[in-house]
Amino acid sequence: EAGVAQSPRYKIIEKRQSVAFWCNPISGHATLYWYQQILGQGPKLLIQFQNNGVVDDSQLPKDRFSAERLKGVDSTLKIQPAKLEDSAVYLCASSVSDGPNYGYTFGSGTRLTVV
Amino acid sequence: KNEVEQSPQNLTAQEGEFITINCSYSVGISALHWLQQHPGGGIVSLFMLSSGKKKHGRLIATINIQEKHSSLHITASHPRDSAVYICAVSKGGSRLTFGEGTQLTVNP
Repeated sequence: EAGVAQSPRYKIIEKRQSVAFWCNPISGHATLYWYQQILGQGPKLLIQFQNNGVVDDSQLPKDRFSAERLKGVDSTLKIQPAKLEDSAVYLCASSVSDGPNYGYTFGSGTRLTVV
Repeated sequence: KNEVEQSPQNLTAQEGEFITINCSYSVGISALHWLQQHPGGGIVSLFMLSSGKKKHGRLIATINIQEKHSSLHITASHPRDSAVYICAVSKGGSRLTFGEGTQLTVNP
């Protein structure tokens, strides 16, 4: 079974620039998550999709962050414009569905550095 | 106060030692996860448990629901076990609330 694919692995941008990350979850996984992990901290949920609908985006800074999952498969996360404090690892994860007993599979993450 | 607290934050051990990482949580949960994160960011799910004890190779995870506490044990530790170990809980749906992680370094 292929894992959760993310790209790019690393990205360095200047503040005020835009950046986009891509995630391809495991085939058949209805639930997709984007997490932000700042160095030395645990991951923080940015947005959760169930198929192509948003379940939870309460911690997404909507003035600069956006995410979509148009066909209920791949997802993109965009930051526009980036700030220095956005430097973090952005993790995508997927699970079969939204329930407490479904395991998670994480991607390798995208490490973003904003200079 | 975080809903999920881990201890210790950092742990250094010698190869072969028995290691314990603790996790306490303050909310009702439906499941608790132990995750491993290597340098570079990728996270691997080690265990998902809601009661009792699970074992996989040299790793053992236990949970005490009444005390809201879980432990991850590593027997006969090895330098390749060096990683960040993260405790996370789900409170009903599948969304996880994470602890801040324990950085484990095992020296040869």
